[in-house]
Amino acid sequence: EPEVTQTPSHQVTQMGQEVILRCVPISNHLYFYWYRQILGQKVEFLVSFYNNEISEKSEIFDDQFSVERPDGSNFTLKIRSTKLEDSAMYFCASSESRMNEQFFGPGTRLTVL
Amino acid sequence: GEDVEQSLFLSVREGDSSVINCTYTDSSSTYLYWYKQEPGAGLQLLTYIFSNMDMKQDQRLTVLLNKKDKHLSLRIADTQTGDSAIYFCAVEDSGGYQKVTFGIGTKLQVIP
Repeated sequence: EPEVTQTPSHQVTQMGQEVILRCVPISNHLYFYWYRQILGQKVEFLVSFYNNEISEKSEIFDDQFSVERPDGSNFTLKIRSTKLEDSAMYFCASSESRMNEQFFGPGTRLTVL
Repeated sequence: GEDVEQSLFLSVREGDSSVINCTYTDSSSTYLYWYKQEPGAGLQLLTYIFSNMDMKQDQRLTVLLNKKDKHLSLRIADTQTGDSAIYFCAVEDSGGYQKVTFGIGTKLQVIP
């Protein structure tokens, strides 16, 4: 069964460093999403992406964040200068269309020291 | 925007049924999901229901949707210790590009 994959499973970085979280969505999906979950809190929507551009973003998704689909398979989330409060589990999701269910990846745990 | 509420904690005895409840605010939501998260792990999609359905059954799992009351429930029959986890109710917004709004999660504790 096709699934969304994410790498790495755990990323440790120093405050101020740039990180790139990678996702491989399901191959025929066209809509892509990033969510995050700070420990003990709700899963929060960050951004949705379609047709090579951001279609919606939350107030969390500020200038420190960017997303990209650099090739036909990967979907990345970049945090330019990480802060302690960026420590969270980051989930990628994809869907075939606006009218289809979203499938989530296993998540990348980001720890900022 | 959408708001999803669920209770924080549920404790049941092994072999009993568990019922986890959820309420939401956006009546035109399309997909409604239940995810399971074990400690330190990612989100595992358990089941989902489309908004034109009232009920969906999948082995030990039964999802009930009451659109009038905006109430979603997940029933786990014959609950096992391996079912101990956090269960998230999640609702897909009807507007925009269908972001999913999650509840806080219900921690299910199964007592042997």
